[in-house]
Amino acid sequence: DGGITQSPKYLFRKEGQNVTLSCEQNLNHDAMYWYRQDPGQGLRLIYYSQIVNDFQKGDIAEGYSVSREKKESFPLTVTSAQKNPTAFYLCATNQGTANYGYTFGSGTRLTVV
Amino acid sequence: AQSVTQLGSHVSVSEGALVLLRCNYSSSVPPYLFWYVQYPNQGLQLLLKYTTGATLVKGINGFEAEFKKSETSFHLTKPSAHMSDAAEYFCAVTPGGSNYKLTFGKGTLLTVNP
Repeated sequence: DGGITQSPKYLFRKEGQNVTLSCEQNLNHDAMYWYRQDPGQGLRLIYYSQIVNDFQKGDIAEGYSVSREKKESFPLTVTSAQKNPTAFYLCATNQGTANYGYTFGSGTRLTVV
Repeated sequence: AQSVTQLGSHVSVSEGALVLLRCNYSSSVPPYLFWYVQYPNQGLQLLLKYTTGATLVKGINGFEAEFKKSETSFHLTKPSAHMSDAAEYFCAVTPGGSNYKLTFGKGTLLTVNP
């Protein structure tokens, strides 16, 4: 079945360390997105990419970095510059049409210890 | 620019009661509208969407929503709540056309009491 795989499901990081969250899709969708979710704040867009080798900052990009070397993959790195990284991170895709909406992965919960 | 306002961050209903989750939007062009549901520690799942055509849209799990342009609303309803409906619900909007980036509301947590 086609879908989005986010790994790992749970991730623990020590302060000052970088960590990379994986997002892989086999839907053949062009656009991919990373969201951060905190209680009561909804979904906030970190980065998005509409084609390979191109990506744009979202609303809260500081302290994060991404790459899009393959259509199927859009990894997110949470750097030590991100002051409050503990959150639930969601990856989503879109096939390139407005009436489709997004397909979401199951998320990664990152905790800084 | 688009925006979405979900009235009520937390709604509590009794099992069997009507569910009404409110969503108002602002958009400079006719919008495409979506409702998503999220269960704890999971991703979001599409419940229903309005793009064009009939303004009353039916979705999964017995939910429906009506697009009211004059009220800029897209409220989500279900006639009879079930315990399994307890989740967080998100309304989202996109202007359509070549711009398909969604803007989400802050979500409404639905609690269903036995």
